[in-house]
Amino acid sequence: EVQLVESGGGLVQPGGSLRLSCDASGFTFSSYEMNWVRQAPGKGLEWVSYISASASSVYYGDSVRGRFTISRDNAKNSLYLQMDSLRAEDTAVYYCARLYVDAGYYFDSWGQGTLVTVSS
Amino acid sequence: DIQMTQSPSSLSASVGDRVTITCRASQRIDRYLNWYQQKPGTAPKLLIYTASSLQSGVPSRFSGSGSGTDFTLTISSLQPEDFATYYCQQSYNTPPWTFGQGTKVEI
Repeated sequence: EVQLVESGGGLVQPGGSLRLSCDASGFTFSSYEMNWVRQAPGKGLEWVSYISASASSVYYGDSVRGRFTISRDNAKNSLYLQMDSLRAEDTAVYYCARLYVDAGYYFDSWGQGTLVTVSS
Repeated sequence: DIQMTQSPSSLSASVGDRVTITCRASQRIDRYLNWYQQKPGTAPKLLIYTASSLQSGVPSRFSGSGSGTDFTLTISSLQPEDFATYYCQQSYNTPPWTFGQGTKVEI
C-alpha cells in the first residue's frame, strides 16, 4: 500500500523558515516524480513544486519561487520542502503528492498533510 | 499560466440526483484534465484522469468527458458519501499545473 506521511509543520513567524518532510513507503520512491500541493484555510488547492525522480529537474509556482526549495533523498525514501522568508499567505496545509505518468500526468496518491501557520 | 474555471462554485442536490460539474481551461489542454474529490479534513482523492479514465476503486457512477478546453464531471446517481468538494486540475505540458477553484456539492 502506498503511504505518504508529511511532517515538520508548525507555527513560525513571518520571515522565518521551516522544513517539511514527506516519508514514502509501499512503492519504489526513486522511480516517481513528486510534488507539493498546498491548501490555505477554507480555500482551494494550489500546486507548489515538482521534482523529477532523479532530482535533475525542479519547478516552482510563482508564489514560492526563490523562497522555497524542493529536494529528495531516494536512499531515505523522503521528499523535502525547505521554506524560507515565510509570509502570512503561506499559511496552509501542505500535501506531498505522487505524480503518476502514463498517457497523462496526475496525482494518484496524497499524504494526510501538515499544517504550516505563519503568524507573529 | 493556464487558468481553470469551474462551475458552479456550489450546488445543492439530493440523493439519487444526476450531478454535472463543468471545468473550462483558458487554453487548449487536449485531454490532460483530472478530477479530485475532497472531504473536509482529508486529502484530495483522484477520481478521473486524462479527462475520462476512472481511477481504480472509484465507483462507476462517476464519469468524465471533454477535450480541448471544456470538460465535465458527472455523478449519475448521487450517494450520501459523494457530498464533498470537487476540483479539476490540468496537467498539460510542464508545470505549473493548476486547479479549478472547486465545486462544493451539498444537500
